[in-house]
Amino acid sequence: GAVVSQHPSRVICKSGTSVKIECRSLDFQATTMFWYRQFPKQSLMLMATSNEGSKATYEQGVEKDKFLINHASLTLSTLTVTSAHPEDSSFYICSARSRGVTDTQYFGPGTRLTVL
Amino acid sequence: RKEVEQDPGPFNVPEGATVAFNCTYSNSASQSFFWYRQDCRKEPKLLMSVYSSGNEDGRFTAQLNRASQYISLLIRDSKLSDSATYLCVVNRNSSASKIIFGSGTRLSIRP
Repeated sequence: GAVVSQHPSRVICKSGTSVKIECRSLDFQATTMFWYRQFPKQSLMLMATSNEGSKATYEQGVEKDKFLINHASLTLSTLTVTSAHPEDSSFYICSARSRGVTDTQYFGPGTRLTVL
Repeated sequence: RKEVEQDPGPFNVPEGATVAFNCTYSNSASQSFFWYRQDCRKEPKLLMSVYSSGNEDGRFTAQLNRASQYISLLIRDSKLSDSATYLCVVNRNSSASKIIFGSGTRLSIRP
């Protein structure tokens, strides 16, 4: 199946710093990428939908100035958590949908963010 | 009310047993339905899509009931490796392709 990578897989940072997470589709072009957040023992929550070459669409309650999304190419989307706080500690997962046919989304392996 | 609801479990069953999960969704305009499995601290992986006519993949059978707005997953002859969290996923609108995840049902298979 299609492969999506995320980098880094794990990051620990101090409160107030910014963290960038990359999501890449390795063997297909992703017109749309999605960013999710998952807290322990909870479901994945969609944060934003990112379309290549246009601004991301954020879900209600997600601050667009805090979670900056850039989808500059058909294979790369980045999520930057700005001025991170301990409550931003979570598992961040991206997914990518290939151009054309199916509704199937392929997930990256996730990034575990810990803010001290 | 959540848009997609699942029994969180945990379901603890012996190896070889048959186990079934249900999932209900509230938006009658939902277009596509899926079951994903998620292992601890890993990303979700697609298990199977759910078609109106029902579909089977080996030991796994998925069914959709649009009238009652639920989907089901049946696992026969369960294996230890089936232990995971099973996520019910609903595509709210195929053009926007926003998928909504249920909170998951935890399954634990014991020897």
